[in-house]
Order: sequence, then structure tokens, then C-alpha cells
Amino acid sequence: DAMVIQNPRYQVTQFGKPVTLSCSQTLNHNVMYWYQQKSSQAPKLLFHYYDKDFNNEADTPDNFQSRRPNTSFCFLDIRSPGLGDAAMYLCATSNGGAGNQPQHFGDGTRLSIL
Amino acid sequence: GEDVEQSLFLSVREGDSSVINCTYTDSSSTYLYWYKQEPGAGLQLLTYIFSNMDMKQDQRLTVLLNKKDKHLSLRIADTQTGDSAIYFCAERNYGNNRLAFGKGNQVVVIP
Repeated sequence: DAMVIQNPRYQVTQFGKPVTLSCSQTLNHNVMYWYQQKSSQAPKLLFHYYDKDFNNEADTPDNFQSRRPNTSFCFLDIRSPGLGDAAMYLCATSNGGAGNQPQHFGDGTRLSIL
Repeated sequence: GEDVEQSLFLSVREGDSSVINCTYTDSSSTYLYWYKQEPGAGLQLLTYIFSNMDMKQDQRLTVLLNKKDKHLSLRIADTQTGDSAIYFCAERNYGNNRLAFGKGNQVVVIP
């Protein structure tokens, strides 16, 4: 089935040690999103790619970076994770443009910081 | 700007109906969505409604939209234990790729 796949489901890293989370999609959608979700909160958009165009949210810390090497893959890099970065990270995709284009989410990667 | 409000917690007996409410402030919202999130999982798109509609029914789900009051509701008929989850409403403007989420409403179904 076409879907959004996030790996790994659980990631543990050390304070300050760079970590990369990955997302792939078989939907051939041109927009890919990264969200951070902390416990009992709504997802918070970090940034998104519309094709190769990167769109950062104004309040996303510089510590968070993203790469999209091709349509199918998108990566979230956290350069120096702090304890406050422990969260669920959700990837989503959609078709861009006008009209009803709902976002489709992966199952997320839960990041823990030691 | 976009601001979406939801009540936080709902407890319902299995077999009863449950209603989750959401209000939004952006009158230019065009598409309104309901997502379901089970523990440890991502968000699952349940249903959506266009702003030019008042109601949409999809099996056990009924979405009502009061555009004048900017009020959106989701009714789940014959609630099952598998409906226990957090439900998020979200709005999107025409031509905007971003979603504005509500804070979520946790539904607990009691057998």
C-alpha cells in the first residue's frame, strides 16, 4: 500500500550527539512536512518542502535542519539535541497546490535524549 | 491568524454516541479536517469537510459545520473501544499548504 514510512520508530541519542530521522513516501506527493509533537500537545510544524523549495517556520530552532534529496525521501537532522528536543517527530506528505489536499502522516519516530 | 480551540477530554460508554467540538477563528478557512491519533502512532485522516458544506456523513462519522459561528463538530455513532484516541481538528486555507491544529480531544471509551 502507498504510505508514509518513518524510520526508526524509536531513537535514543545522547545529549549533544547529532541524530538523523528519516521519512520516505510512496504517494509521489510533492510536499513533505516535519512536525514535532510533545506529550498531550498538537503537532507543531517545523518546516516543509514544496518540491525542492524549503520553507522554514519562523520559530523553528537553528538546531533543526532538513534535507530532501529526491521526491521520496526527507530527513530531519538535529545537530546538537538537548533534553527539550525529546518528542515524537512526525513526517507528513500532501499534494501541493489548490484544492483539497489532505496531509498523510507516518507513524512517527519517538526520540529520547540521554 | 489561525487559532483552533478544542475541549480536552471526553468519556463515553461503548455503544453510545460521542460528540467532539472544535472552534476556529480564521473565516477564510476552506478545508476542515478531523484526524485520529492512537497512542504511539501518527495521525490518521478520518474525514474532512469543505467550508461550503453544512454536514458530511461517512459511515459512523458525522461532521457538522456552522460557518457563522466557526464551529465544527464530529459525532461518532455507536462508539467502540477502538475509537479511544485523541482527535484533532485542523483547518487549511485555499492555496496554503499549512494546517492549523486544535489542541486535541482525548476520547476514552468505557466497555
